[in-house]
Amino acid sequence: DAMVIQNPRYQVTQFGKPVTLSCSQTLNHNVMYWYQQKSSQAPKLLFHYYDKDFNNEADTPDNFQSRRPNTSFCFLDIRSPGLGDAAMYLCATSRDPDRGIEQYFGPGTRLTVT
Amino acid sequence: GNSVTQMEGPVTLSEEAFLTINCTYTATGYPSLFWYVQYPGEGLQLLLKATKADDKGSNKGFEATYRKETTSFHLEKGSVQVSDSAVYFCALRAGSSNTGKLIFGQGTTLQVKP
Repeated sequence: DAMVIQNPRYQVTQFGKPVTLSCSQTLNHNVMYWYQQKSSQAPKLLFHYYDKDFNNEADTPDNFQSRRPNTSFCFLDIRSPGLGDAAMYLCATSRDPDRGIEQYFGPGTRLTVT
Repeated sequence: GNSVTQMEGPVTLSEEAFLTINCTYTATGYPSLFWYVQYPGEGLQLLLKATKADDKGSNKGFEATYRKETTSFHLEKGSVQVSDSAVYFCALRAGSSNTGKLIFGQGTTLQVKP
């Protein structure tokens, strides 16, 4: 009965080799978020989708892109991973970005860049 | 700007001890406040929330009260268990936000020893 699913849980990629992380949800939520969490740090929002509308955070590097082909799926593409992109990537969903509505997080994908 | 500050960890307690993890915030308007918990190698789970001043969020023996006068949302539990060992994140969602963006504190690691 997993609600927010992330695949794979662990991903190893080479420096500069494009990589895609996947998130799916069974909650039928309107909003899907991608966060980056580096070791011992707080999660940092990269971007989110509200339905099909893409919202990028101002300080998210161009190297990070996202796609949401339908309500259930959202992908994070890292075009040319650098060593500094090694982190846990967390996907989250919410029904609506309205006040007080909590976000549901997936288990995360830990990305290693070699 | 909006920000969240948590007490530094790690916090190390013996089983059945009383827990307090301090959290203060800076925000314009009336934010919603959240505590999330992250167990090793996992994503974030919502622990409790409060959406307006003087609200008390509670779950699994944990409590936190939204104090607007002191801009605080301290997490408390009367008797901790070994299974409570995790990283705890305080977060806010600005009342003026229409994106649902969460701003997290830096996290506090709790270690409970038998």
